[in-house]
Amino acid sequence: EAGVTQSPTHLIKTRGQQATLRCSPISGHTSVYWYQQALGLGLQFLLWYDEGEERNRGNFPPRFSGRQFPNYSSELNVNALELEDSALYLCASSLGGVDTQYFGPGTRLTVL
Amino acid sequence: AQKITQTQPGMFVQEKEAVTLDCTYDTSDPSYGLFWYKQPSSGEMIFLIYQGSYDQQNATEGRYSLNFQKARKSANLVISASQLGDSAMYFCVGNYKLTFGKGTLLTVNP
Repeated sequence: EAGVTQSPTHLIKTRGQQATLRCSPISGHTSVYWYQQALGLGLQFLLWYDEGEERNRGNFPPRFSGRQFPNYSSELNVNALELEDSALYLCASSLGGVDTQYFGPGTRLTVL
Repeated sequence: AQKITQTQPGMFVQEKEAVTLDCTYDTSDPSYGLFWYKQPSSGEMIFLIYQGSYDQQNATEGRYSLNFQKARKSANLVISASQLGDSAMYFCVGNYKLTFGKGTLLTVNP
């Protein structure tokens, strides 16, 4: 069974640009979670989507947004990129609710 | 709300020995769950073990077990017979808004 996949693996942008990160959950999983892991800051919860709706979001500004598609895949959009947005962005999926999350390999975003 | 505390920034263990990684939690919810994840240097998060607050027994998964003490609000991860491949960051995670502890970097020495 395929695990959670993320694309691209690496993404390099400049300040002010927009970045789009993609995630495909494990087949049968309806929940997708996004996390940011910045150097020295640990893992921080960004967004949770379930059945196409945003269920919860962490303490991030509105320029971090996303959506979940009917096939449960998800996009994370980061607008007006800032240098401190450089981080590893991890996506996870689960059957929903508080079920175990399975993480993808991540997208490393570098903002120059 | 939940608060997850991991007080060990780093731990060292000799190969084949057992090691305990500490995790304490604070929650007002009588029903809660705690996860442990492993993050190797490649960055991927690997689920290890889960403990629900109403589970009658401590969770075990292969070489991983949870020393769950509700009165002390602790959910320590015990890794038996450490292997070199166990070297990684380990995160204790609460199920409320996916609250992560700061993690413990485990290094297994040959």
